[in-house]
Parts: sequence; C-alpha cells; structure tokens
Amino acid sequence: QKEVEQDPGPLSVPEGAIVSLNCTYSNSAFQYFMWYRQYSRKGPELLMYTYSSGNKEDGRFTAQVDKSSKYISLFIRDSQPSDSATYLCAMGNTGNQFYFGTGTSLTVIP
Amino acid sequence: GAGVSQSPRYKVAKRGQDVALRCDPISGHVSLFWYQQALGQGPEFLTYFQNEAQLDKSGLPSDRFFAERPEGSVSTLKIQRTQQEDSAVYLCASSRRPSGAYYEQYFGPGTRLTVT
Repeated sequence: QKEVEQDPGPLSVPEGAIVSLNCTYSNSAFQYFMWYRQYSRKGPELLMYTYSSGNKEDGRFTAQVDKSSKYISLFIRDSQPSDSATYLCAMGNTGNQFYFGTGTSLTVIP
Repeated sequence: GAGVSQSPRYKVAKRGQDVALRCDPISGHVSLFWYQQALGQGPEFLTYFQNEAQLDKSGLPSDRFFAERPEGSVSTLKIQRTQQEDSAVYLCASSRRPSGAYYEQYFGPGTRLTVT
C-alpha cells in the first residue's frame, strides 16, 4: 500500500467552478501537509502548507486536513484557466523525507 | 538568478553510460534535496544535504547513484551504468532552513533523463 493515495484524474471543469482535490494517507504520524502545483515541464511550486488538523485559506485556495479520517483536501474557488496544472499533495513527519501523491491533472476550460 | 537552476534540462544516455546532473540552489540556502519523478508519478526522495554534509541518502535506489555537494552550494547527482528504469525527471530543491523544515523547499525545473 502506498503511503499517499491521490486520484490522478484527469479533472476538467468550466471556468468559475469550485474544484475539490483530495488525498488519503495511511501513516497516522504525518503532521505536515502540503499542496504543490506543477505546470508541464516545470518543478513543483508550493501552494499551501498546513500543520496538523484544520483549515487554512489563502485567496481562492483552501486546504483542509482531517487527521481522524487521514484525508486532506484542496479547494479552488472561482477556478481560472491559469489554474490548469497538476496538483500534488505531500505530507510527512519530522525528518527530511516527505511523501508525494501521484498528482491530479486539472484543466479549467474558458 | 532568483531560483533553483538545473542542467542539462534534457539528457539522453545510452544504457550503460554514466551521467552527471547539476543543481545550482538558491544562494545561501542551507538544505538541498534530490528527487526522482517517474512519468505520471509524484516526486520520490533520493537524498538530502545540509551544507556539504549528506545527512540522508536512504532514497538512493542503488549504489549506481551518487550525490555530492563539496562546497555546500552546487550539487551533482551522478548515475553510473545507466539502466532504462533510471529514465525519469530528476528534481532538485533547496531550502534556507536546515533539516525538518521541508515545507519551504523551492524546486528547480528538473532534468529529464531518457535512457535508450
């Protein structure tokens, strides 16, 4: 079983839609949860970072962590064509390693 | 330059050849990480440096993989006797913080290695 599971999509939505991206994980020790955006042929770019459970909002983006269910989500409001990318969740505990999901490919159609 | 740079961006190697991939981190960044990203997968940790010290190399898949950062800035990932399963994008990331604060990692664009 992989440490982190993420639906690869692809996901296609019309401009202005609310997008929900999700990951599940198996290791209850994970404390740090991150969402990265990766454009084609580019490196991942950190979008959101959350420690432990709860919600965090930054502009059109909201990250949620439910440690009891081992489930994290990223919501994108008023989606734009420029949001079209692959979204990777990542998580870990102390130390140098953290574990990425496989990524969900998102296309926002104008 | 403001970001992490990697060279070459693309590398084609014949099976059995040795390759060297270079990473220039953001100036002053203490920590440097290497990841391997196979097609359609998320990045997987290979190794971590704090300054010139390689503190974690548990993700290196075999002894054909070797990384160094001799002066605590530029790093090189070397793969000896390349195999087809080594084909992937190799990502470098740096952070101004020492070990444990990986949420502040800044990634380079990656080197796409194709082994034929």
